[in-house]
Amino acid sequence: DGGITQSPKYLFRKEGQNVTLSCEQNLNHDAMYWYRQDPGQGLRLIYYSQIVNDFQKGDIAEGYSVSREKKESFPLTVTSAQKNPTAFYLCASSIDGQGRNGYTFGSGTRLTVV
Amino acid sequence: AQSVSQHNHHVILSEAASLELGCNYSYGGTVNLFWYVQYPGQHLQLLLKYFSGDPLVKGIKGFEAEFIKSKFSFNLRKPSVQWSDTAEYFCAVNAEDTGRRALTFGSGTRLQVQP
Repeated sequence: DGGITQSPKYLFRKEGQNVTLSCEQNLNHDAMYWYRQDPGQGLRLIYYSQIVNDFQKGDIAEGYSVSREKKESFPLTVTSAQKNPTAFYLCASSIDGQGRNGYTFGSGTRLTVV
Repeated sequence: AQSVSQHNHHVILSEAASLELGCNYSYGGTVNLFWYVQYPGQHLQLLLKYFSGDPLVKGIKGFEAEFIKSKFSFNLRKPSVQWSDTAEYFCAVNAEDTGRRALTFGSGTRLQVQP
């Protein structure tokens, strides 16, 4: 079945460490997105990519980095510069950059800083 | 910058009650509007969407939403809720003619339906 795979499902990180969250899609979608979900704040956009080798900052990009070397992959690195990284991270994709057909979401990664 | 407001943070209803969840957005130009639902333990999934045409759009599971341009609103409705509608609901907007090519989401409304 086509879809988005996020791994791992749960991730624990020590303060000061960088950590990378994986997002892979086999839908042949052009665009991919990373959102952060916190209780009472909805989904906030971290980064998005319309095509391979191109990406744009979202609303809360500070302390995060991404790459888009392959169409199917859009990993997110949470760096030590991110002040409050404990959250639920959602990856999504859409067939094109306008997203008119809606987004397909992954199941998420819950990151906890210990 | 565009923003989306969902004023109802937590709604509790009994089965068969009618539902209306509010959504307002801030962008004055052309918008595409969406409602997503997140059932407990499941992925976010699309309920319905509006691009143009009839401002009353119908989605899955008996949900509908009405786009009122003059009020910058896109409220979600269902005439009779079921226990299985218990979930979190998110309104989202994509403002065209801007440099942003990603959805802006509201803060979500948690709906609890009591049997």
